[in-house]
Amino acid sequence: ETGVTQSPTHLIKTRGQQVTLRCSSQSGHNTVSWYQQALGQGPQFIFQYYREEENGRGNFPPRFSGLQFPNYSSELNVNALELDDSALYLCASSSHSSGRRNEQFFGPGTRLTVL
Amino acid sequence: AQRVTQPEKLLSVFKGAPVELKCNYSYSGSPELFWYVQYSRQRLQLLLRHISRESIKGFTADLNKGETSFHLKKPFAQEEDSAMYYCALSSGAGSYQLTFGKGTKLSVIP
Repeated sequence: ETGVTQSPTHLIKTRGQQVTLRCSSQSGHNTVSWYQQALGQGPQFIFQYYREEENGRGNFPPRFSGLQFPNYSSELNVNALELDDSALYLCASSSHSSGRRNEQFFGPGTRLTVL
Repeated sequence: AQRVTQPEKLLSVFKGAPVELKCNYSYSGSPELFWYVQYSRQRLQLLLRHISRESIKGFTADLNKGETSFHLKKPFAQEEDSAMYYCALSSGAGSYQLTFGKGTKLSVIP
């Protein structure tokens, strides 16, 4: 069984730039959720993708967008980067069709630094 | 709105002492509660969920709806329990998004 993978591991951008983060879900999982974890905070829900459509969104502005592909992998795109976007971005996968759909498996994260 | 509060940022206990990590939540419906753990240099992983009523690595947690709490307990702490612990809540419907607390760092002193 392959776990959740994320790329890249680290990324440095400047204010105003755009960034794309990638996530491959665990085998057998069809749902991907994205979280932002600022330093000293718990993860905060950004949005979730199921069947290639957004299936729930947290309190994040529209410049945070995403995609899910037919193989269930996903991308998180952030436009017009701000300093406060510096954080660890976590991807989590789960199986929407199982009785344990709440059980989310996390990737190692991508550390984004905005200068 | 749903909220999870972990009042302790850091908890230090001696090896062999009992551990209790506190978690309180606010949610108007019937939530599902979880504890996640992150060991040093490892990814966030599920420790236990209230529905399963399991004991994992000696840890247990009971959902107290009256007190809106889901405290994590272990009778005898081990050095390998040192980690960051996050309590999380899911509405149990819709996107099943998780709302996390800020976390408690547990340090077990040998």
